[in-house]
Amino acid sequence: QKEVEQDPGPLSVPEGAIVSLNCTYSNSAFQYFMWYRQYSRKGPELLMYTYSSGNKEDGRFTAQVDKSSKYISLFIRDSQPSDSATYLCAMSYNNNDMRFGAGTRLTVKP
Amino acid sequence: DSGVTQTPKHLITATGQRVTLRCSPRSGDLSVYWYQQSLDQGLQFLIHYYNGEERAKGNILERFSAQQFPDLHSELNLSSLELGDSALYFCASSVELGVYGYTFGSGTRLTVV
Repeated sequence: QKEVEQDPGPLSVPEGAIVSLNCTYSNSAFQYFMWYRQYSRKGPELLMYTYSSGNKEDGRFTAQVDKSSKYISLFIRDSQPSDSATYLCAMSYNNNDMRFGAGTRLTVKP
Repeated sequence: DSGVTQTPKHLITATGQRVTLRCSPRSGDLSVYWYQQSLDQGLQFLIHYYNGEERAKGNILERFSAQQFPDLHSELNLSSLELGDSALYFCASSVELGVYGYTFGSGTRLTVV
């Protein structure tokens, strides 16, 4: 079993839809949770950073962490074609090395 | 531009050869991380250096080695290359042990033929 599981998709939604991206993990020691966005042929860029459980909102993006279920989510409201990218969840217990999910490829169609 | 510079952007080499990938971290960042990204394996952690010292190792092959120099730039050396080493290699940096997340470079695309 992988430490971090993420459905690779692909996921295709119409413009304006609410997108839900999810990851599950097995290591209960993880306490730092992040979401990265990666455009084709580019490096991942940090979208959201959360410590421990709870919700965090930034504009159209909301990150949720449920440590009891070992489950994290990223919601994108009013999705735009420019949101089309691969979204990677990442987590760590000590910030020395981050474990990444496989990434979910999202396409938002105009 | 993220501030993390990786060179070269593309590299094509033959099996059995040795290559060196270079990374300059964002100004002020002391930590450098190396990751390998391939289609079937996703983003795999290789190694982490903090202020010149190795801090953590992931699934790094013995054929691979890295170091971080006093000016904080880092090099990843890949030797006895195999076809399966073809991948994107990313360097990331952070201010202090990744507390505020990582900043990634644009990667080096390595093709082994």
